[in-house]
Amino acid sequence: KQEVTQIPAALSVPEGENLVLNCSFTDSAIYNLQWFRQDPGKGLTSLLLIQSSQREQTSGRLNASLDKSSGRSTLYIAASQPGDSATYLCAVNNNNDMRFGAGTRLTVKP
Amino acid sequence: EAGVTQFPSHSVIEKGQTVTLRCDPISGHDNLYWYRRVMGKEIKFLLHFVKESKQDESGMPNNRFLAERTGGTYSTLKVQPAELEDSGVYFCATRGSTDTQYFGPGTRLTVL
Repeated sequence: KQEVTQIPAALSVPEGENLVLNCSFTDSAIYNLQWFRQDPGKGLTSLLLIQSSQREQTSGRLNASLDKSSGRSTLYIAASQPGDSATYLCAVNNNNDMRFGAGTRLTVKP
Repeated sequence: EAGVTQFPSHSVIEKGQTVTLRCDPISGHDNLYWYRRVMGKEIKFLLHFVKESKQDESGMPNNRFLAERTGGTYSTLKVQPAELEDSGVYFCATRGSTDTQYFGPGTRLTVL
């Protein structure tokens, strides 16, 4: 059974810092991995999707990496801004059964 | 293009009552998923439709939950009778030809 863990559970940084969010999973036989952002009271917004054959994906200030063999993914956020404050969720897709981590709650202080 | 919409945004019912949640997918998305997040836990998969057919309903917690997708368009998730532990946020997500799932804003269900 796939287990997804996100560390840390919460993170507070000053504006402008670069930061890394971590996601680990127990079953490396994944189809893809998706990073989402959730703002309070809102739905999930897809940030990046990495196929199992890929090592990383980039979108603007975001870079997600995937090391399938070690069961790890990271989300790197460059030059963080207060608007980046949200909960970031990692979701691993095994044959259309998407398993979520509990999320990392990020606060970027002005 | 409109995103995934869910109705209602919030529902408060008493234990034993029935509630029906609705999800309208992005037009043309054949794949529709239901998820829920109960207090303090991670989001969990409930089931997956491909058009009107249930592809995978392994995450449905028990037979008090019934999902339908008549005509392969919108979907409903009915809880009957509702129990206290059913409280949480119910998300719908849809997917077209790519692998990206697009989520709706969720329905917050409170069972008293």
